[in-house]
Amino acid sequence: DAKTTQPNSMESNEEEPVHLPCNHSTISGTDYIHWYRQLPSQGPEYVIHGLTSNVNNRMASLAIAEDRKSSTLILHRATLRDAAVYYCILREDSGGGADGLTFGKGTHLIIQP
Amino acid sequence: DTAVSQTPKYLVTQMGNDKSIKCEQNLGHDTMYWYKQDSKKFLKIMFSYNNKELIINETVPNRFSPKSPDKAHLNLHINSLELGDSAVYFCASSRTGTGGRSGNTIYFGEGSWLTVV
Repeated sequence: DAKTTQPNSMESNEEEPVHLPCNHSTISGTDYIHWYRQLPSQGPEYVIHGLTSNVNNRMASLAIAEDRKSSTLILHRATLRDAAVYYCILREDSGGGADGLTFGKGTHLIIQP
Repeated sequence: DTAVSQTPKYLVTQMGNDKSIKCEQNLGHDTMYWYKQDSKKFLKIMFSYNNKELIINETVPNRFSPKSPDKAHLNLHINSLELGDSAVYFCASSRTGTGGRSGNTIYFGEGSWLTVV
């Protein structure tokens, strides 16, 4: 999996939007952009993924730059429960097999009440 | 219903012992994984396994071995435990498929906290 770069930590206030950036300048044409998060003392959980177009789901939105070298995870209205480590991960469309996830350091998101 | 369940959640054991961590998934997935999260919070894949192949991270000591009695289970056996094996171990599962395209969401268990003393 190609490498991603994220800020070590970010801080935001409750009920405000949060924009979590991710740089992936070496992304290949077959790499999908995935976001997972890990709440304290829990296993990672899927948030969202995309290829080229922006994506929305009930948890978040994913904005992908036109050149695909960066993306932004958007939490529209952060709650205290969103405090977690957020991981931006590239996954190749490998065509099958038992491929897993390669985690980086992620961004530690702190939410202030 | 817990999708991916691991037991035990906490395990304290002495150096040199042999221990196992069990993992079961009820999602009908055919690929399962073990990840290790060390004290610095880095998550690293140890194994991925489906009925066709076992992929082993080359950095994993051969004291660690996955055992899969059936598609719903992938247990982690650790022989001759060392202090450095203390970590949180996460089991996970997904459908085998087209890698990144469909998401092939990977579901993680809640972790097993292993402490070697």
